[in-house]
Amino acid sequence: TQLLEQSPQFLSIQEGENLTVYCNSSSVFSSLQWYRQEPGEGPVLLVTVVTGGEVKKLKRLTFQFGDARKDSSLHITAAQPGDTGLYLCAGGRWEGAQKLVFGQGTRLTINP
Amino acid sequence: ETGVTQTPRHLVMGMTNKKSLKCEQHLGHNAMYWYKQSAKKPLELMFVYNFKEQTENNSVPSRFSPECPNSSHLFLHLHTLQPEDSALYLCASSQTGALNTEAFFGQGTRLTVV
Repeated sequence: TQLLEQSPQFLSIQEGENLTVYCNSSSVFSSLQWYRQEPGEGPVLLVTVVTGGEVKKLKRLTFQFGDARKDSSLHITAAQPGDTGLYLCAGGRWEGAQKLVFGQGTRLTINP
Repeated sequence: ETGVTQTPRHLVMGMTNKKSLKCEQHLGHNAMYWYKQSAKKPLELMFVYNFKEQTENNSVPSRFSPECPNSSHLFLHLHTLQPEDSALYLCASSQTGALNTEAFFGQGTRLTVV
């Protein structure tokens, strides 16, 4: 079983602060995806990283894939209340179709 | 209409009822998935359909029965469910034939079994 451990599971910080969410596994994945999910909605894809050591930036969000493709991190700079939500990492494996193994999620709250 | 659409958004059913969840994707994808999201547990893959053929059943109880009549539609037929089956059921689609393809999710059906 390929497991993804996400940490922290809950994070509440003040607007303007920086934060990092981690996603770790003992397994190697072909890709790592980050999703954000709002209450009552499905997950929305933020980014996909595929190459070991890859770094992608999406405005104030920086995503990194570990060199061994077993772990990833999401860093948010100067967090805003609009960043509040559930952040999910998912490891991809290819078996004729893309199958995703999800972490437990990080519930992030940004207080004004 | 674009993306992945799930109906109904909310469903309350008794343990002896039979109901169906519907998913439709307008993205031209040929793989579709059912996931279950319970409180305090990671998203769990239930079923995978690739070109209308079921390629994975992740040890799901037989009270959940999927159906994929074509690449754009996916159903999940429910019967004699248990209260612990209450969860958010999410449908997703992706394009096969390429590595690291991205999955797009519907908004989910919030199911409550009473």
